Amino acid sequence: LAKTTQPISMDSYEGQEVNITCSHNNIATNDYITWYQQFPSQGPRFIIQGYKTKVTNEVASLFIPADRKSSTLSLPRVSLSDTAVYYCLVGEPGRKLIWGLGTSLAVNP
Amino acid sequence: EAGVAQSPRYKIIEKRQSVAFWCNPISGHATLYWYQQILGQGPKLLIQFQNNGVVDDSQLPKDRFSAERLKGVDSTLKIQPAKLEDSAVYLCASSLGFGTGNGNTIYFGEGSWLTVV
Repeated sequence: LAKTTQPISMDSYEGQEVNITCSHNNIATNDYITWYQQFPSQGPRFIIQGYKTKVTNEVASLFIPADRKSSTLSLPRVSLSDTAVYYCLVGEPGRKLIWGLGTSLAVNP
Repeated sequence: EAGVAQSPRYKIIEKRQSVAFWCNPISGHATLYWYQQILGQGPKLLIQFQNNGVVDDSQLPKDRFSAERLKGVDSTLKIQPAKLEDSAVYLCASSLGFGTGNGNTIYFGEGSWLTVV
């Protein structure tokens, strides 16, 4: 099972771009990279998923280098409502996911 | 599309009492998960069902926790007897397939908050 490492916490200000990097050195060939967002008192919510290169949706972008040993979640122009915990997960269909501690992002006015 | 429904939302019990949580997954989702999340930590998988069969229950404390998914739809998680360390949020989730990747997304409910005193 691939293990992930991400910063425990990050601070930012409204309107800035936030990049959260996740390390997954022992990622396997069939593993995908998925990011979830969790607000207090709520269950995690899917943000974005990718396998290689770059993926973009209406909420975020995910950058994955060629060696796939890390990935970066990019949140453009954050607002106060983006204050949450962000989890990076690595796994493949049919296999168990291991959740780490996540990155607690605080967006300040 | 209706999301994953869980109840009760909050529960306070005394240690050694029992409690049950109910989950209704998204319609058509074959895979159902129960996670335990202790404050400040990431979710920990307790049990995973594929339809009504158990795929993984390696982290379920079977001496006190039990779960079932009758008819491959709704599920119930029971704790008996509860311990102080069981105080946590119990998250139910569902997905079309299991695991992650290739477009498979896991959808979570709001969680059931348990406090054992």
